[in-house]
Order: sequence, then structure tokens, then C-alpha cells
Amino acid sequence: GQQLNQSPQSMFIQEGEDVSMNCTSSSIFNTWLWYKQDPGEGPVLLIALYKAGELTSNGRLTAQFGITRKDSFLNISASIPSDVGIYFCAGQNRGSTLGRLYFGRGTQLTVWP
Amino acid sequence: GAGVSQSPSNKVTEKGKDVELRCDPISGHTALYWYRQSLGQGLEFLIYFQGNSAPDKSGLPSDRFSAERTGGSVSTLTIQRTQQEDSAVYLCASSLRSGAGAEEQYFGPGTRLTVT
Repeated sequence: GQQLNQSPQSMFIQEGEDVSMNCTSSSIFNTWLWYKQDPGEGPVLLIALYKAGELTSNGRLTAQFGITRKDSFLNISASIPSDVGIYFCAGQNRGSTLGRLYFGRGTQLTVWP
Repeated sequence: GAGVSQSPSNKVTEKGKDVELRCDPISGHTALYWYRQSLGQGLEFLIYFQGNSAPDKSGLPSDRFSAERTGGSVSTLTIQRTQQEDSAVYLCASSLRSGAGAEEQYFGPGTRLTVT
């Protein structure tokens, strides 16, 4: 099956610092997605990327779809306490009739005030 | 309701018992997905429904797991003869449709299953 490797596994940072996490895959995807999960909740979509090389921002979040289509990164600038949570990357093959998502294992982010 | 709802939110069961987990998708969403999240792991795909049919069941880990969807809406995931390794959070997601568009999947809060 398609394996996604997400790193780092966890991060402990000071409020105001920038954060970077990435995801690599053994297979190509035509869509990369980044989700955030708070305790006791389901994942919520942060950013979706549909084209190799695409760079997309959503407020303080920026994500890029790698040109090989096998990787993506997410940056968070000027972190704040509410950024705490688990961030997941996910790959999808848009155009497939199935639409299932393949997830990384997540990056646990802790922000100290 | 505005979002995907799941019930129960927590379920503790004894090894060997059967359990049923329910998912109510967002009204009008034709695609429905079940995922499983074990402690410290990412989400693992289980099964996908388009309408009432399941074109992809490839993620179901064993024949103890089954799912159905009726009326193109509510779905039930059934685990028979539960084992301790079935303990996990079971998440349901729905989207408007699958296929040509990368339709966003909206997740429910999950059911935390503990098998003792």
C-alpha cells in the first residue's frame, strides 16, 4: 500500500516561533491535504493542494506540493497557543472513483506561551 | 445538524462481544468513509460508500468487520467478536461526492472503542 512518512513526530516550540513539517510518500499523489486534529475531535481540513509545485497559503499557514508529487510540507508562521494539536498530511488520487485518503502518522505540536 | 455525527462517543465492551458504531453524514453527502485511528497512528482507511453501495472495502482488517449504509444516509460499522486490538477511535467522514472532484471530506468526532 501507499506509505506516508511524516516528520517530525512531535515539536515543542515557543509562542511566536515558526514551524515546519513535511511528508513524503513512496508513491505519487495528485492531491495533497493537510489536516489538524484537536483532542476528541475529527480532523479538520487546513489546506488542499492540487498541482505539483503549487504553493498555497491560508493565513499563517503555507503548504507546498512537491514537484515530484511524492512530498509536501506545511509551515506555520508566528505560532500561537491555539495552534496546539496534531497535524496530519494526507494524499489522495483525485479522478479515482474511490477518493480514499492516505494519512501520515501526524505531528504533535505543543506551543509554550 | 450541520456536521457529521457519530454515536456512541465512547464504547467499552468485553472481548468477544459484538459492537455497532453509527455515523450520520451531512445531509446530501453521497460519499461516506470509515477510518480507524489507533493510539499514536494516522488514520487508516476501512471502507468507502457511494450511495448505499461499497465499491471499496479493501481496508476492512478481517471478516469480523462489516458495514452497511441505508437510504444513502446513515451508516453502521459492525465489529463481531471484538478483540483487544480493535481498540481505537473509529472516524466517519462524508463528502458531497467522490470521483472527479477532490471533494473535501468532513469528519465526525469519532467513537472511541475500548475492548477489555
